[in-house]
Amino acid sequence: EAQVTQNPRYLITVTGKKLTVTCSQNMNHEYMSWYRQDPGLGLRQIYYSMNVEVTDKGDVPEGYKVSRKEKRNFPLILESPSPNQTSLYFCASSLSSAGGTNQPQHFGDGTRLSIL
Amino acid sequence: GNSVTQMEGPVTLSEEAFLTINCTYTATGYPSLFWYVQYPGEGLQLLLKATKADDKGSNKGFEATYRKETTSFHLEKGSVQVSDSAVYFCALSDLDNDMRFGAGTRLTVKP
Repeated sequence: EAQVTQNPRYLITVTGKKLTVTCSQNMNHEYMSWYRQDPGLGLRQIYYSMNVEVTDKGDVPEGYKVSRKEKRNFPLILESPSPNQTSLYFCASSLSSAGGTNQPQHFGDGTRLSIL
Repeated sequence: GNSVTQMEGPVTLSEEAFLTINCTYTATGYPSLFWYVQYPGEGLQLLLKATKADDKGSNKGFEATYRKETTSFHLEKGSVQVSDSAVYFCALSDLDNDMRFGAGTRLTVKP
């Protein structure tokens, strides 16, 4: 089954304690992205990756890091989490836009982070 | 830059009512347009899409037409069901994979 898998689904932690949210896709997609969803703001992009070893900042990258060492995995790292990073996070993947076709994104089920 | 504006919710309808959720966009070039649906506790799922002007996307009774002259992509359904209760997101994507989402519209359908 084609899917994007995020872990953990829920996490409550404290300020300053490093955490990693994993994301894995089994569709051989080139493009992967992280979003955060906050009430009234929709989804805002944190970081994205066009392919292995290629990452770039989205609209709200401050306080986050990512890596793309393998095509299937795109972890989100919070080195020193703060309460303003409490949010619902989504990982997504898609084929690239090669050939001029804009591809829809496939989303994971989300990770709810609470930073106390 | 690119942006999407969709009507604020929440929207509450009775079963079998007609649904319209407005969406307008700002973009350079020729983006593709999407509607995604989010059911409680789940990620977003693609509902329908349109890749060029005058295209109509449709799925599960929902429709939206890509209107370049009015920069709009309004979502419609002729007869909603309780199972359509969800949050709906309008989105656009350009060839740089720059995907922009609206703020989301929560729909509640009552029996």
